[in-house]
Amino acid sequence: DAEITQSPRHKITETGRQVTLACHQTWNHNNMFWYRQDLGHGLRLIHYSYGVQDTNKGEVSDGYSVSRSNTEDLPLTLESAASSQTSVYFCASSRDRGLTGYTEAFFGQGTRLTVV
Amino acid sequence: ILNVEQSPQSLHVQEGDSTNFTCSFPSSNFYALHWYRWETAKSPEALFVMTLNGDEKKKGRISATLNTKEGYSYLYIKGSQPEDSATYLCAFSSSAGGTSYGKLTFGQGTILTVHP
Repeated sequence: DAEITQSPRHKITETGRQVTLACHQTWNHNNMFWYRQDLGHGLRLIHYSYGVQDTNKGEVSDGYSVSRSNTEDLPLTLESAASSQTSVYFCASSRDRGLTGYTEAFFGQGTRLTVV
Repeated sequence: ILNVEQSPQSLHVQEGDSTNFTCSFPSSNFYALHWYRWETAKSPEALFVMTLNGDEKKKGRISATLNTKEGYSYLYIKGSQPEDSATYLCAFSSSAGGTSYGKLTFGQGTILTVHP
C-alpha cells in the first residue's frame, strides 16, 4: 500500500545543532508539505513543494529549509535548532489538481522534536 | 495570512446526541474547503473536500455543507458515538496566485469528546 512515513518519530537535540527530519511518500504525489503543530495554533505551514526542484516558504519558515531532489522525499532541516522549534512536525502529500480539481492531503505520523 | 476560524474549540456530548461545528474562512479567492478527522496519537485523515457553493457531502453519520459566498462550512455528526471522539479540522485552499490550490490553511480544530 502507498504510504507516507516520517523519521525519526521522536528526537531530542541541543540548541544550535542542525537537525534534519525525513519525509518519504510512495504515492508519487507532486505536492508535499511540512506543518508544525503547537498548542493554540493548530497546524501551521512551514514549507511546501509542488514538484522536483520546487520549494516555497509557508507562514512560519524562518529557521527552516527544505530541498526536493526527487518526487518521494522532502527533508526538513532546522539550520540551528532553537527552543522555540520544539514542536510536533507533520509531513503531508497530495496529488496534482488534475481533472477533478481537488487534492486531499495524506499525512505522516508526525515527528516530536524537543530542543533542549 | 488567511484566517480560518473554527467553533467551538471543544465540545462534550453524550452518546446518541447530534452535534455540529462551524468553520469560517475568507469568501474571496475560494478554491476548496477540506475537513479532516484527527484521532489522538494518529495523523489527520480526510473526511471531505468541498469545492462548490451549496455542496453537501455525507459519509455515514457525518455530513458537511458549504457556503462559499458567506464563507462558512458546517460539519454535522448524527447520533454521536464514543469512537467519534477526535479533533475535527477544517482547511481552506485559496485560488489566489494561480498555483496556491494545494496549499492548505488550517483552523485550530474542534475537539469533540463523546461520553458513553
